[in-house]
Amino acid sequence: NAGVTQTPKFRVLKTGQSMTLLCAQDMNHEYMYWYRQDPGMGLRLIHYSVGEGTTAKGEVPDGYNVSRLKKQNFLLGLESAAPSQTSVYFCASSSIRQPQHFGDGTRLSIL
Amino acid sequence: AQKITQTQPGMFVQEKEAVTLDCTYDTSDPSYGLFWYKQPSSGEMIFLIYQGSYDQQNATEGRYSLNFQKARKSANLVISASQLGDSAMYFCAMREGRYTGNQFYFGTGTSLTVIP
Repeated sequence: NAGVTQTPKFRVLKTGQSMTLLCAQDMNHEYMYWYRQDPGMGLRLIHYSVGEGTTAKGEVPDGYNVSRLKKQNFLLGLESAAPSQTSVYFCASSSIRQPQHFGDGTRLSIL
Repeated sequence: AQKITQTQPGMFVQEKEAVTLDCTYDTSDPSYGLFWYKQPSSGEMIFLIYQGSYDQQNATEGRYSLNFQKARKSANLVISASQLGDSAMYFCAMREGRYTGNQFYFGTGTSLTVIP
């Protein structure tokens, strides 16, 4: 009964380092999403995917890349981390016209 | 233009009273869905209630109801008989029709505090 699992839950990076956040879902959902949440700004869509092998840019895609090589996994990459990318990152998945199911979030700090 | 607007950054309600959290939306798509999520201090996003644009009746889920006024483009969440555990951030979200990649748009949220 895992739902959406995000790893890691916490991470501290130095400016310029790279890292990948992993999102895995076991609900056979077609759609997957990466959001960032900053105080007072709600959830902003970074990238999303409408199916295996497809990705698309959301509202704030700069500085991030994604891949969806398998239907159940959606990876978010930061190639060269910047302090402005300090945030809480949420992954979500859904099927068409259904609510999104969210992971527990990844708290990322960039020094 | 903002797709989802929540104009109440913070709200207070007395325990056992009802409270309405406001949400207005903007879309030209005739097919859309409206959602409310709760985010307690622990951080997880919890789905509360859904309203489809073609639904004739307002959605209800236990103590939650959605006051859907299509002409005014509003989708307010009503919580009846507030409990201390209702203290949380509440987000309104909209999903536009299937041809936009099933994207969801979120408001900036309303922080609800239930007072004993």
